[in-house]
Amino acid sequence: EIVLTQSPGTLSLSPGERATLSCRASQSVSGSYLVWYQQKPGQAPRLLIYGASSRATGIPDRFSGSGSGTDFTLTISRLEPEDFAVYYCQQYGISPTWAFGQGTKVEIK
Amino acid sequence: QVQLVESGGGVVQPGRSLRLSCAASGFTFSSYAMHWVRQAPGKGLEWVAVILDNGSNKYYADSVRGRLTISRDNSKNTLYLQMNSLRGEDTAVYYCARGYRSMDVWGQGTTVTVSS
Repeated sequence: EIVLTQSPGTLSLSPGERATLSCRASQSVSGSYLVWYQQKPGQAPRLLIYGASSRATGIPDRFSGSGSGTDFTLTISRLEPEDFAVYYCQQYGISPTWAFGQGTKVEIK
Repeated sequence: QVQLVESGGGVVQPGRSLRLSCAASGFTFSSYAMHWVRQAPGKGLEWVAVILDNGSNKYYADSVRGRLTISRDNSKNTLYLQMNSLRGEDTAVYYCARGYRSMDVWGQGTTVTVSS
């Protein structure tokens, strides 16, 4: 079973700043199978990035994903007010199985 | 438009059963795998189960295997989650979501509270 660990737990930043979120897997994950979601309070999650680096439909280009093996990163180049939310990584394993990280909250500093 | 609408949540006593539904519209339901994902109050997302497009294959999280059953009726464009022997730790918002490796469309969720 692959465990995803996200860091930091909370990121306090100001609008306009750059956000870097980490997702580390306990075993190597195929990049094709690493996904990022955004969730705002009281809302369902929204797909941001799939295949580690491909933006989902309608996602602004300030969001980017990178990484391979066990280390993956979601970067928000310049935070907009609507970007303050919780972000989850998710992996698909070949068992098959699915798992989420515990989330990173991006809050306004 | 593409939409998923969950229903069937509520307050239920421990040990009892509940069936959740997820009505799909705006896309060819029978062409997609479908998931249930839950979120306990104040906690993160937990994958629960997935069913492939034709219903032939189903996979479950260890925490729910044997108690929760995923199914679908492609003629009704509806996904189900039969929940038996409910426990306090099953209290959560339950989301249905479309996709296989990733989940690109989500419903708004339905709340299940297990309490005596």
